[in-house]
Amino acid sequence: GAVVSQHPSWVICKSGTSVKIECRSLDFQATTMFWYRQFPKQSLMLMATSNEGSKATYEQGVEKDKFLINHASLTLSTLTVTSAHPEDSSFYICSASMPRGTTSTGELFFGEGSRLTVL
Amino acid sequence: SQQGEEDPQALSIQEGENATMNCSYKTSINNLQWYRQNSGRGLVHLILIRSNEREKHSGRLRVTLDTSKKSSSLLITASRAADTASYFCATILRGSYQLTFGKGTKLSVIP
Repeated sequence: GAVVSQHPSWVICKSGTSVKIECRSLDFQATTMFWYRQFPKQSLMLMATSNEGSKATYEQGVEKDKFLINHASLTLSTLTVTSAHPEDSSFYICSASMPRGTTSTGELFFGEGSRLTVL
Repeated sequence: SQQGEEDPQALSIQEGENATMNCSYKTSINNLQWYRQNSGRGLVHLILIRSNEREKHSGRLRVTLDTSKKSSSLLITASRAADTASYFCATILRGSYQLTFGKGTKLSVIP
């Protein structure tokens, strides 16, 4: 159980276009999902926390108009990179936590990541 | 900002040897978790240790936590080539639900 699916696993796009990445919890309802960005050989940097039915909370330095997050249902969160530029090329990873009140201990379940390359 | 700092940044050992990775953090935590990441993949949760626990085992994994020193260690015994990956510690601060990751240790197990 506790599977998180992320799609697409890789995408190449032209500069100026927008790219949408989906994150789905397949067998549990995730009231909270997290989006991370990871540069080569570096750690994960939290970009934003996505709560179902409310606006995402962005970390300092992350442009909310650049990285649009939508958490429309308990099993789906999307990250849209708008007007992508080469410096947006990175590995984007989502994760989800079990709802509070369940057997959750704070463990996160991660998607497989999406590698974005902007030409 | 980074909460955890892993040490060493890279570790190369022979198959069958034990691998020890350390993690230090700065502020009070609810729990500390270790994750594994194969190259270009997502993260996989390995083990969680609560702030009131000192040691935990899971298969070939042994995790210790010293809250007085704000440090944790991950020991992988009898390493295998398949253990080659990056290992990250992550903490949940008191009063928070967000995980903050360290920079990771890249482990290479040579067959």
